[in-house]
Amino acid sequence: ETGVTQSPTHLIKTRGQQVTLRCSSQSGHNTVSWYQQALGQGPQFIFQYYREEENGRGNFPPRFSGLQFPNYSSELNVNALELDDSALYLCASSLAGTVSSYNSPLHFGNGTRLTVT
Amino acid sequence: TQLLEQSPQFLSIQEGENLTVYCNSSSVFSSLQWYRQEPGEGPVLLVTVVTGGEVKKLKRLTFQFGDARKDSSLHITAAQPGDTGLYLCAAPMDTGRRALTFGSGTRLQVQP
Repeated sequence: ETGVTQSPTHLIKTRGQQVTLRCSSQSGHNTVSWYQQALGQGPQFIFQYYREEENGRGNFPPRFSGLQFPNYSSELNVNALELDDSALYLCASSLAGTVSSYNSPLHFGNGTRLTVT
Repeated sequence: TQLLEQSPQFLSIQEGENLTVYCNSSSVFSSLQWYRQEPGEGPVLLVTVVTGGEVKKLKRLTFQFGDARKDSSLHITAAQPGDTGLYLCAAPMDTGRRALTFGSGTRLQVQP
């Protein structure tokens, strides 16, 4: 069973640039969620993708966008980077859409550490 | 807005000591989860509690869900250096999102 993998592990960008982060979900999982974890804080929900469509969104501006692909992998795109976007970005996969999957736990990747200077 | 407040924020203890960390909210939750996160890694699920008053044990870790399903505690007996990490509680957000709201965590350091 392959776990959740994220790339890259670390990234440094300049304010105003754009970034794309990638996530491969765990084998058999069809739902991907993205979280932002600032230093010293718990993760905050950005959005979730199910069947290639956004399926819920937290309090993040539209410059945070995403995609899910037919193989359930996902991308997180952030435009016009700001200094406050510096954080650990976590991807989590789970199984949804069946009765038995209602309490399907989240499986997190190890994250991408983004630094905006 | 659903908020989960965790206390203490930091805890540094000696190996062999006992400790309790808390997760409190003014909201009622259908379930609550505890995660442990080690440096450079993502959170790993430890337990899910769903019934008010429920107690679950995982080796030296004891988890309790409050009767009113607004709070939870994690008790560690005879802490070991391997218990070091960030302990996060999390609960489901608004229905239909299948997303979690997390507390800010308790950072535990167990000294050998």
